[in-house]
Amino acid sequence: GAVVSQHPSWVICKSGTSVKIECRSLDFQATTMFWYRQFPKQSLMLMATSNEGSKATYEQGVEKDKFLINHASLTLSTLTVTSAHPEDSSFYICSAYGLAGTRETQYFGPGTRLLVL
Amino acid sequence: SQELEQSPQSLIVQEGKNLTINCTSSKTLYGLYWYKQKYGEGLIFLMMLQKGGEEKSHEKITAKLDEKKQQSSLHITASQPSHAGIYLCGADRLDSGGSNYKLTFGKGTLLTVNP
Repeated sequence: GAVVSQHPSWVICKSGTSVKIECRSLDFQATTMFWYRQFPKQSLMLMATSNEGSKATYEQGVEKDKFLINHASLTLSTLTVTSAHPEDSSFYICSAYGLAGTRETQYFGPGTRLLVL
Repeated sequence: SQELEQSPQSLIVQEGKNLTINCTSSKTLYGLYWYKQKYGEGLIFLMMLQKGGEEKSHEKITAKLDEKKQQSSLHITASQPSHAGIYLCGADRLDSGGSNYKLTFGKGTLLTVNP
């Protein structure tokens, strides 16, 4: 079946560095990618929606210059946390939507846990 | 094996009917979330349950977390076409190391409401 992968699954970085998270759709072409963030004991929060080849649409309160999203191909989207700070430590998860054959498909990646020291 | 089992996988009901969707885990749940999704759209957060026996309602949707914190049910009263979509349960569970919470999802229940 269709699978969405994320890399890395775990990342620890120093404050001030940038971290890139990849989200790949493995069996289908993802025309739309969603990026979410989850803080402990809270629900997922949608950060941004990106359609392949166009700029991402960010939710209110999400800094687009801090969370750079690239969706250059139908199988890959990246989220770059620039100049990460401890308050950016969170669980980041992507969701990919597209067609697997003629069937609409939408799956979540396994998530990336970011810890900023 | 699937960590969260949702049932049914799909459901077709007539407008006005009540329905229930279940989410079952083989392990204790530390936080249980219900979301609604439509293909091509982002998740809509419905409710979060944390305490055994907890019950929450939002408009015509009620969710419960059982006492043992291993199962949750989502109940929709007098369903309407606007309720149609994919309902997902998500849960915080401790990872194998026992030190971090890991978010997992059920496979979803596709709800169709016929007018």
